[in-house]
Amino acid sequence: GQNIDQPTEMTATEGAIVQINCTYQTSGFNGLFWYQQHAGEAPTFLSYNVLDGLEEKGRFSSFLSRSKGYSYLLLKELQMKDSASYLCAVRDRAGNMLTFGGGTRLMVKP
Amino acid sequence: NAGVMQNPRHLVRRRGQEARLRCSPMKGHSHVYWYRQLPEEGLKFMVYLQKENIIDESGMPKERFSAEFPKEGPSILRIQQVVRGDSAAYFCASSPPSSSGNTIYFGEGSWLTVV
Repeated sequence: GQNIDQPTEMTATEGAIVQINCTYQTSGFNGLFWYQQHAGEAPTFLSYNVLDGLEEKGRFSSFLSRSKGYSYLLLKELQMKDSASYLCAVRDRAGNMLTFGGGTRLMVKP
Repeated sequence: NAGVMQNPRHLVRRRGQEARLRCSPMKGHSHVYWYRQLPEEGLKFMVYLQKENIIDESGMPKERFSAEFPKEGPSILRIQQVVRGDSAAYFCASSPPSSSGNTIYFGEGSWLTVV
């Protein structure tokens, strides 16, 4: 089975940097995903890590350490529109199903 | 290239009625997944299908819920005799045939309200 933990809520200031952590315990692992979800909308793909290290994509970066069962999503130059829930998800060994954490609700304040 | 298409976007049903939710995967995608999201909660896996096959239904409630992905046409999630607790957002996702290194994309969701 899979167990995925991330903080429930975080608050940050516009223009700042925020790091959202995710830890996981899994019986199988075939990649970790981060999604952004605004209230009442669908999850939108942000990043994918399958090897250790940092993946950078514009203002967003994601890091993975498989030995520690740990990932983080880094958001730079925060904008008000970044206020959303950020979902960490792990794909199982079979490479099919995603198991999601409960999501981290990020509030960006002026 | 159209994304994952779901309909209806919003559905209201009275207790005891049936709800049918449809999902057309992205072009070239043959894997379909259904997830449920209760208010203020995370996404919970329900079922994983390929054309004409249910691969994993470990997240499906044992009664009243069924899913199919026929050779032709969209995937259907069917909920019989709905109850208030079925009120949720139901998201469909799809991915290409190869399971390695491929992103899973979500549709806009179908919001079911049971009154």
